[in-house]
Amino acid sequence: SSELTQAPAVSVALGQSVTVTCHGDRLRTCFTAWYQQRPGQAPLLVIYAKNIRASGTPDRISASTSGNTASLTITGAQAEDEADYYCSCRDSSGNSWVFGGGTKLTVL
Amino acid sequence: EVRLVESGGGLVRPGGSLRLSCEVSGFTVNSNYITWVRQAPGGGLEWVSVIHSGGATHYAEFVEGRFILTRDDSKNRLFLQMNDLRVDDTGFYHCVRTPGTSLDSWGQGTLVSVS
Repeated sequence: SSELTQAPAVSVALGQSVTVTCHGDRLRTCFTAWYQQRPGQAPLLVIYAKNIRASGTPDRISASTSGNTASLTITGAQAEDEADYYCSCRDSSGNSWVFGGGTKLTVL
Repeated sequence: EVRLVESGGGLVRPGGSLRLSCEVSGFTVNSNYITWVRQAPGGGLEWVSVIHSGGATHYAEFVEGRFILTRDDSKNRLFLQMNDLRVDDTGFYHCVRTPGTSLDSWGQGTLVSVS
């Protein structure tokens, strides 16, 4: 089982807001990153170092961490936000990474 | 433009071997960590291995002793030698540029099928 836990699926109405969460004790000390994967495509970095948007990430996507929970929030979801979202954490030595199981976001 | 292109995947019997290649452009392979991540069909992401800019390598427990990650700086390429392959090694294998704590540029992946 993954050390980072995500809900398998979540849905949101077009234009509404949604939060994808990631739970794990490791999150208290690591720099969380979030990846978006659209069907048939490679994953894409959207957030790194807990809450910094990667180049090209729209402003409507943000992230935060509190305790053992990391959250990715999309404000005003668009059709192109429909994808799988993965949280991830690097260990303090820089020698391994762990991923959450992924959350499938459906935009209705 | 940063680009990573994997090749070398294919169909192999359990116990067999494959050698994956990752050709890099837009940066030099020895200036960054490079990570391999795999994804089983319909499954999630799974970290496999990393090579540091200084050349040190580290592996996930489930591939330790079977996979070997090397780098050819003159060709700006990395190689993942995969031995004693198992059915559950099946999936897409991506090489990823890894500056710091994030995996910022992903190749499209190469498919390994063990059956």
